[in-house]
Amino acid sequence: NAGVTQTPKFRVLKTGQSMTLLCAQDMNHEYMYWYRQDPGMGLRLIHYSVGEGTTAKGEVPDGYNVSRLKKQNFLLGLESAAPSQTSVYFCASSYDRRDSGANVLTFGAGSRLTVL
Amino acid sequence: GENVEQHPSTLSVQEGDSAVIKCTYSDSASNYFPWYKQELGKRPQLIIDIRSNVGEKKDQRIAVTLNKTAKHFSLHITETQPEDSAVYFCAAYKLSGGYQKVTFGTGTKLQVIP
Repeated sequence: NAGVTQTPKFRVLKTGQSMTLLCAQDMNHEYMYWYRQDPGMGLRLIHYSVGEGTTAKGEVPDGYNVSRLKKQNFLLGLESAAPSQTSVYFCASSYDRRDSGANVLTFGAGSRLTVL
Repeated sequence: GENVEQHPSTLSVQEGDSAVIKCTYSDSASNYFPWYKQELGKRPQLIIDIRSNVGEKKDQRIAVTLNKTAKHFSLHITETQPEDSAVYFCAAYKLSGGYQKVTFGTGTKLQVIP
């Protein structure tokens, strides 16, 4: 049981390049999320998905796209990377439970992206 | 939308002392408040949580208190140890648009000095 796995762990891009971060979970979770973490700003939600085939915008969606073609995978894409997207990206997943307290987030190990 | 403020942003304590981190939230509809610990270079992990119908919860050296009227909740760590050094995040959940929306605080870097 691997939990939440992110690939790659590190990546360096040049401005304007594109890339995709992959998140995979083996816990049969309905919900998946992409966060970015920047110093002093905590965890900010980029996009999320409440089920296979669905995605929605979070707090900071500009410059990113996502897809959830399979329940276990959630992809985050940068079409034209900018230095402002230098950050640590965390994927997370949780059960779909409407009663509060059940949607505990399980995080991946993070992906450190540097855009030059 | 929900806004979660967390204080202090950094906290240094001597080993054995207590540490308190406070969070305030803006939306009275928020009903679940977890705390995550993130060690250097690692992923955030849940350490304790509290629901809106509970005022206090303890787990060994850590405890969380919730004041719904004032809309704030706090993490208390007693008898701090060097391994408690980490960044701690609070969060508030509320049901919005049919799903649980999570808002995180900006984090507190705790340093326990041996």
